Amino acid sequence: ELKVEQNPLFLSMQEGKNYTIYCNYSTTSDRLYWYRQDPGKSLESLFVLLSNGAVKQEGRLMASLDTKARLSTLHITAAVHDLSATYFCAVDMTGGADGLTFGKGTHLIIQP
Amino acid sequence: EAQVTQNPRYLITVTGKKLTVTCSQNMNHEYMSWYRQDPGLGLRQIYYSMNVEVTDKGDVPEGYKVSRKEKRNFPLILESPSPNQTSLYFCASSPWTGGRSPLHFGNGTRLTVT
Repeated sequence: ELKVEQNPLFLSMQEGKNYTIYCNYSTTSDRLYWYRQDPGKSLESLFVLLSNGAVKQEGRLMASLDTKARLSTLHITAAVHDLSATYFCAVDMTGGADGLTFGKGTHLIIQP
Repeated sequence: EAQVTQNPRYLITVTGKKLTVTCSQNMNHEYMSWYRQDPGLGLRQIYYSMNVEVTDKGDVPEGYKVSRKEKRNFPLILESPSPNQTSLYFCASSPWTGGRSPLHFGNGTRLTVT
């Protein structure tokens, strides 16, 4: 059974600071996804990481994947209030046929 | 506009009264899926479908049924809802590209069973 663990589950930080969210998964996979969810809203795709060493960046967010360590990170640089949201990582166990297994989410609050 | 449409957005019902939550996508996606989201548990997959007439159980299928008679529609059926099915439900779809495409999510259906 695939397990996906995110750390931390809750994070309160100041604007302008840097921080990293971690996503560990338990079985071999080379596909990892990051999603964002605003309160009361749906999930929005941020990144798809498809191979070992993949790194993707969009604005102040950068995601990376280490398939050997079964670890992905979502790094926030110089946080701004608009990045406050819940962030989920999700992993495929097989070739996508079984669907995604999600982590429990990281609730991020960025205070002015 | 490309989208996944769920209806209704909010639903309050009583134990045992059959209900259907509809899901429709206009992107010609092969893959569709239902998730439920509960506080502290993240999203858990209920059922998924890789194409018309092909459906399979996810992690928490008990108490739910689905059908995929047309490519665009993937309704979720609760034959006899119970209070533990109170949750936020999301339908999602993606093109079948070997699992390399992200899911597109609907806006969610908040279900309360009393």
